[in-house]
Amino acid sequence: KNQVEQSPQSLIILEGKNCTLQCNYTVSPFSNLRWYKQDTGRGPVSLTIMTFSENTKSNGRYTATLDADTKQSSLHITASQLSDSASYICVVSPHETSYDKVIFGPGTSLSVIP
Amino acid sequence: GAVVSQHPSWVICKSGTSVKIECRSLDFQATTMFWYRQFPKQSLMLMATSNEGSKATYEQGVEKDKFLINHASLTLSTLTVTSAHPEDSSFYICSAIKPYSNQPQHFGDGTRLSIL
Repeated sequence: KNQVEQSPQSLIILEGKNCTLQCNYTVSPFSNLRWYKQDTGRGPVSLTIMTFSENTKSNGRYTATLDADTKQSSLHITASQLSDSASYICVVSPHETSYDKVIFGPGTSLSVIP
Repeated sequence: GAVVSQHPSWVICKSGTSVKIECRSLDFQATTMFWYRQFPKQSLMLMATSNEGSKATYEQGVEKDKFLINHASLTLSTLTVTSAHPEDSSFYICSAIKPYSNQPQHFGDGTRLSIL
């Protein structure tokens, strides 16, 4: 069964600290993996996308890694800011254009406190 | 800026009412849009794929007569929750794909539906 799991479920960190969120998947076949940020009461916004051959992708203070062999991905946030408080969702696509087949992880709720 | 607009952002209505939610692609034509439902602290669950000019494709377990989808133009899809009941209260999100691009699907900001 195609699944995406994320850990931790929730996380609280102090402003300025770094953190790493984890994503494990059992999706097959595999086309790409995306990380989204979803602010409370808003729609998800794409942070990074990685295909099978990519190991690392950065977007400002966000750095995503992908190990396609172990089917694991991580999202590292550097020097956290209060505005980073949100839910971070890992999304795996089995096919490049089959958007109706993408699998959403449950998300990690991050709270950055002053 | 936002490329997908969703309206309204929040609606509260009485049980038995029908509620229409609009999803617009702002600067591109979208032949396909998607409707999701999200319960608190849970992930997005695909309800249906909205296809311009043809019938929507519903996911298993989603009542097509309950959740009416109309994709009458290339920039607008609507979701109507008919005879809404408290259990229909949820966060509804649409997304659209920008054709001929490598961009990920663009999500609207969601509609918070509360049925009293």
